Amino acid sequence: DGGITQSPKYLFRKEGQNVTLSCEQNLNHDAMYWYRQDPGQGLRLIYYSQIVNDFQKGDIAEGYSVSREKKESFPLTVTSAQKNPTAFYLCASSIPGTPYGYTFGSGTRLTVV
Amino acid sequence: AQSVTQLDSQVPVFEEAPVELRCNYSSSVSVYLFWYVQYPNQGLQLLLKYLSGSTLVKGINGFEAEFNKSQTSFHLRKPSVHISDTAEYFCAVSGRSSASKIIFGSGTRLSIRP
Repeated sequence: DGGITQSPKYLFRKEGQNVTLSCEQNLNHDAMYWYRQDPGQGLRLIYYSQIVNDFQKGDIAEGYSVSREKKESFPLTVTSAQKNPTAFYLCASSIPGTPYGYTFGSGTRLTVV
Repeated sequence: AQSVTQLDSQVPVFEEAPVELRCNYSSSVSVYLFWYVQYPNQGLQLLLKYLSGSTLVKGINGFEAEFNKSQTSFHLRKPSVHISDTAEYFCAVSGRSSASKIIFGSGTRLSIRP
């Protein structure tokens, strides 16, 4: 079955370390997105990509970086510049311009220890 | 640009009672409308969507929503809720162009009391 796989489900990071969250999809979707979710704050867009080798900043890109070298993969790196990285991170994908909405992964919970 | 407002951050309701989760949107162009559900520590799952045509849309798990263009609303309803409906619900809107992204509301936490 097609879908989006996020790994790991839980991730612990020491202060000052960079960590990379994985997002892989086999839906043949062109667009991919990263969201951050904090309690009571809904979803906030970090980065998105509508085509391979191209991506744009969302509303809260500072302290994060991404790459889109393959259509199937859109990894997110949380850098040491991100001051408050503890959150739930969600990856999504879509076919732009269609009414099908987004397909979401099951999320990665990142905790700074 | 589009925006969406979910009027209630939390809605408590007794099991087997009806529930309505309210959503209003703003847009200068025609839109698609969505409701998503998120169970604890999981991703979002599409409940239903309005594209065009009939204003009453039926989704999974017995939920339905009604599109009201004059009131720019897309409220979600269920006639009888179950404990398993405890979750967070997100209303969302997008334009119809290929450049449009989905804009999510801030979510409504539905808690079911036995």
